[in-house]
Parts: sequence; C-alpha cells; structure tokens
Amino acid sequence: ETAVFQTPNYHVTQVGNEVSFNCKQTLGHDTMYWYKQDSKKLLKIMFSYNNKQLIVNETVPRRFSPQSSDKAHLNLRIKSVEPEDSAVYLCASSWDWGGQDTQYFGPGTRLLVL
Amino acid sequence: GEKVEQHESTLSVREGDSAVINCTYTDTASSYFPWYKQEAGKSLHFVIDIRSNVDRKQSQRLTVLLDKKAKRFSLHITATQPEDSAIYFCAASASGSWQLIFGSGTQLTVMP
Repeated sequence: ETAVFQTPNYHVTQVGNEVSFNCKQTLGHDTMYWYKQDSKKLLKIMFSYNNKQLIVNETVPRRFSPQSSDKAHLNLRIKSVEPEDSAVYLCASSWDWGGQDTQYFGPGTRLLVL
Repeated sequence: GEKVEQHESTLSVREGDSAVINCTYTDTASSYFPWYKQEAGKSLHFVIDIRSNVDRKQSQRLTVLLDKKAKRFSLHITATQPEDSAIYFCAASASGSWQLIFGSGTQLTVMP
C-alpha cells in the first residue's frame, strides 16, 4: 500500500529549465528525504528535513533546493537543470531523525534532461 | 565518511537454493544496518534490518548476520523463489548520523 506519493512519474525537459517535483507522505512521519538514483542504480541522499530543520548533503549542487509547507510534504526544485541531473528522484520518510529508522520510499520521479 | 561496499554486483541462484549477499562498512560507529529490495521498475522497500547490539536476526526466510569485528554484514535468503529476484541494497548508519549510506546494489536472479 503506497503511503509516500510522488508526482510526476516522469518528466522530460530541456537544459536550463526549472522543474519541481512533489512528495507527500500519509504516514505521519516526522522526517522526509530526497535521494537521487542514477542510471547505475547508485543511491545518494540529497536532503533530510525534520521539524523545519534541513540538512543538505554538501555534494548537492546549489541549483537543487527542497521546499516544505508542512511535515507531510517535501518538494524538490531544480532551478536550471543540467544533463547530469537525469536520474530517478526518490522521496522517503521515517519516524526518527537521522539514518537509524526504517525509511519508506515513494515510487520515484524519473527526470530526463535533453 | 562512511563507505558501504556491496561485493556481489550480480548473483544467480536456482529456485529453492540459498543466496548470500555480503557488505562491508568502514565507520566503526555504524550501528544500524538495513536491507532494501528494489524490484524491476519499482521503488525501494524495506526487507529487514539489524542493530549493532545483536549479531543475528531472522525474519522468515531472511537472516542478517553482523560481524562488527570484521565490519561485515550479510543477507541470507533461504528457499529462494522467483519473486525474490530484485536488486538488494545494504545500508549503514552511525549513531548521531543524519544519513543512511547505501551500497551499490546486488542484482539477484532466481532461475526456475
């Protein structure tokens, strides 16, 4: 049963455009995450957000930014996409802050940058 | 920082056989070790985890072993079934860390 929802499923755009992906969780969790999964299936955490506290993976380019209206929503904005941004972006949530708790993943948003 | 290495990139077994996937980690402070499964075209879902206060945990056909001295942990799947075919990711996290570090994944194929 899906409890972490992501839209859109798939997005195609041109280099330099701005895109925004949505994520909503209905589990009542306190923490949400964004991951990037590349074409080799490698997973890299991008952001973690809890009680208005944001932690950013220092390797994430500044054109990426998370946006949250409440603890159930964490969107991802990419200001000016580059070809290397083509990937699947996975949203996840968990009860506890940090990496010590089970994370529940959404279905992902596949981004293709032409 | 923490690095998690997943040693088998692919693994093929016959239906009914056992499968073992091995991972090593570098941070001695790591204390939480979950495993996730990703079926073709789908997202990740949690399968089993182990914390550093134990060295073995079993859930039905899945067993996780943790060797803290060797900084190694493994997933054992017995009586494999075709629906076990997926990519399995190991991960590790240290106490006080904000992030889970994933291995590179093992594509498990269970042949009928």
